[in-house]
Amino acid sequence: DAGVIQSPRHEVTEMGQEVTLRCKPISGHDYLFWYRQTMMRGLELLIYFNNNVPIDDSGMPEDRFSAKMPNASFSTLKIQPSEPRDSAVYFCASSSLLFSDTQYFGPGTRLTVL
Amino acid sequence: SQQGEEDPQALSIQEGENATMNCSYKTSINNLQWYRQNSGRGLVHLILIRSNEREKHSGRLRVTLDTSKKSSSLLITASRAADTASYFCATVMTQGAQKLVFGQGTRLTINP
Repeated sequence: DAGVIQSPRHEVTEMGQEVTLRCKPISGHDYLFWYRQTMMRGLELLIYFNNNVPIDDSGMPEDRFSAKMPNASFSTLKIQPSEPRDSAVYFCASSSLLFSDTQYFGPGTRLTVL
Repeated sequence: SQQGEEDPQALSIQEGENATMNCSYKTSINNLQWYRQNSGRGLVHLILIRSNEREKHSGRLRVTLDTSKKSSSLLITASRAADTASYFCATVMTQGAQKLVFGQGTRLTINP
């Protein structure tokens, strides 16, 4: 298995633009997680899905952020409009069990909003 | 504040020495996990220890859990330059929102 795949690996955009981050989880994993990592706040859970259904989005910072999982092999995290404070590394992770098993992380997308 | 807090924030040792990192948490947990993150990469799961376990081994890694003190330690024996990375503990609480909460990490540098 190729592991969790994220694209793009790097994204540089200007304030106000829409940003879409993509994730392909490991096949057979029922749970998908989106995290954000910054120096100030560390690693934060934004949202997670179970069988393509959003379960907990309490970590999504504001309405500018939205996430979808149209099928078991694809998820997106969208920021519209983007702001400089959204600059961070965004990770996608997947697992077969909820929190009692290994979470497999993707390589991350480094987002810079100018 | 973070559920899990690592100590020290940074550690620099010579290759071959043992490295010990500690994690403290505030509330009762179901399990505690340790992850490694190499610079510019995603996190890699190292080991999971459940609340009813006291010690676990995996290769050169040894993890202990003391639920009475709400603390855990990660020991890396015979360190290698390739062990240079940030190490995070993450906890799943027994109550409240079910999520994996990460600490701020310990930055470990192994000097050749």
